[in-house]
Amino acid sequence: KAGVTQTPRYLIKTRGQQVTLSCSPISGHRSVSWYQQTPGQGLQFLFEYFSETQRNKGNFPGRFSGRQFSNSRSEMNVSTLELGDSALYLCASSLEGGFGGYTFGSGTRLTVV
Amino acid sequence: AQTVTQSQPEMSVQEAETVTLSCTYDTSENNYYLFWYKQPPSRQMILVIRQEAYKQQNATENRFSVNFQKAAKSFSLKISDSQLGDTAMYFCAFMSINNNDMRFGAGTRLTVKP
Repeated sequence: KAGVTQTPRYLIKTRGQQVTLSCSPISGHRSVSWYQQTPGQGLQFLFEYFSETQRNKGNFPGRFSGRQFSNSRSEMNVSTLELGDSALYLCASSLEGGFGGYTFGSGTRLTVV
Repeated sequence: AQTVTQSQPEMSVQEAETVTLSCTYDTSENNYYLFWYKQPPSRQMILVIRQEAYKQQNATENRFSVNFQKAAKSFSLKISDSQLGDTAMYFCAFMSINNNDMRFGAGTRLTVKP
C-alpha cells in the first residue's frame, strides 16, 4: 500500500509569508502527527489529529496550526514566517495513535529567507 | 516531563561487526512504549524496533535487538552483523500511554565502514 505522502518536498519562502504543508496518511490510518526537525532542537512535536480533531498539541506558538479532513489528509499552516521556522517538517501516520509506531513521510524541507 | 537522552552523537562500526547504541529516559510513569527509529539520508524515519514497558522480554527484529532495563530507565539498541545500509541517524523515542506525544532523543549518527 502507498506510504505517507508529503507535499511539497522542498519550499522556499520569505519572512512574513505564510505556508501550507500537506500530508496524506496511509489508507485507513486516522491519526496524523506533525514534527519539526532542526539541527539545534532535534525532533519536536507540533500536534496530532485524530478523526478531524486536534488531540494533542506541542509547545509551539499560535502561528503554527493544522487541520485534518474527513479523508484523514492533514495540512499544517505556518503564518508570519520567521527565519527560525526553517526546518524539515515530518508527518507521521498511525491507525489510532503512535503506540504501535508511526509511519513517517519523507518530509517537507522549508527554507525561510 | 519525559526526556530522552542519547549520549553518543556519533559512532562507527566495521561491516559485519556488532554495535550498541545507548539511550536513557526519564519518566515517572509505569506504562509506556519505547522505539528506535532510523533516518537515512533519504530523510524518511523508519521504525526499527518497538518495546512495551510492561513486557519483560527484550524485543528483537532480525539483526536488531534491544536491552531494556526498566529500573535503570535504559533502552539500548544492538545491531548485529552491521551492513553498509545501516548507516543512518538513529533516534530513540518514548511515548506515554496517556498521550500521543512521542519524545525523541537527539540522535546517534552511525557509520558502517567497509
